[in-house]
Amino acid sequence: NAGVTQTPKFQVLKTGQSMTLQCAQDMNHEYMSWYRQDPGMGLRLIHYSVGAGITDQGEVPNGYNVSRSTTEDFPLRLLSAAPSQTSVYFCASSSGQGTDTQYFGPGTRLTVL
Amino acid sequence: GNSVTQMEGPVTLSEEAFLTINCTYTATGYPSLFWYVQYPGEGLQLLLKATKADDKGSNKGFEATYRKETTSFHLEKGSVQVSDSAVYFCALSKQGGSEKLVFGKGTKLTVNP
Repeated sequence: NAGVTQTPKFQVLKTGQSMTLQCAQDMNHEYMSWYRQDPGMGLRLIHYSVGAGITDQGEVPNGYNVSRSTTEDFPLRLLSAAPSQTSVYFCASSSGQGTDTQYFGPGTRLTVL
Repeated sequence: GNSVTQMEGPVTLSEEAFLTINCTYTATGYPSLFWYVQYPGEGLQLLLKATKADDKGSNKGFEATYRKETTSFHLEKGSVQVSDSAVYFCALSKQGGSEKLVFGKGTKLTVNP
């Protein structure tokens, strides 16, 4: 049981490049989400999904796209990277039942030059 | 809107000292409250939670009590260890479950031997 996995661990992009951050979970969780962590800001919700085929925006969705074609995977796409997207990105999942715990991945550190 | 305010860090303590990290919240309805911990280079892990007023969450010697009258959820530990050095995040869930977490900015704790 690997829990929540994220790839890559580190990435450097140039402004305007695109990339996809991968997230997968093997706990059969319905709920998955993406957060970004910036110094002095805590974690902020980017997008979330309550099940396959269903996604919605969080607090800071601009510049990011998501899709949920399977229960296991929830990729985050940056279509045209900007320096303001330099951050650490965390994926999380939970069963979505009541007060169940959210499980976090190890994070992806992204730098946009 | 919903928000979490936690004490500014960093906090530096000697081993076996008493720890308090203050957390207050603003929310409509009856949120669930959480403390997450992030060890260096890792993702977030749930430390403890409380789902209704006067509930006490506890884990690994840490405790926090959900105080609706003061809208607080302060984290305490009677005797900290070097291994407790980490960043601690207070969070609330707007929907009563663990989905769509709203985080405080985090408090970095360093415990010296």
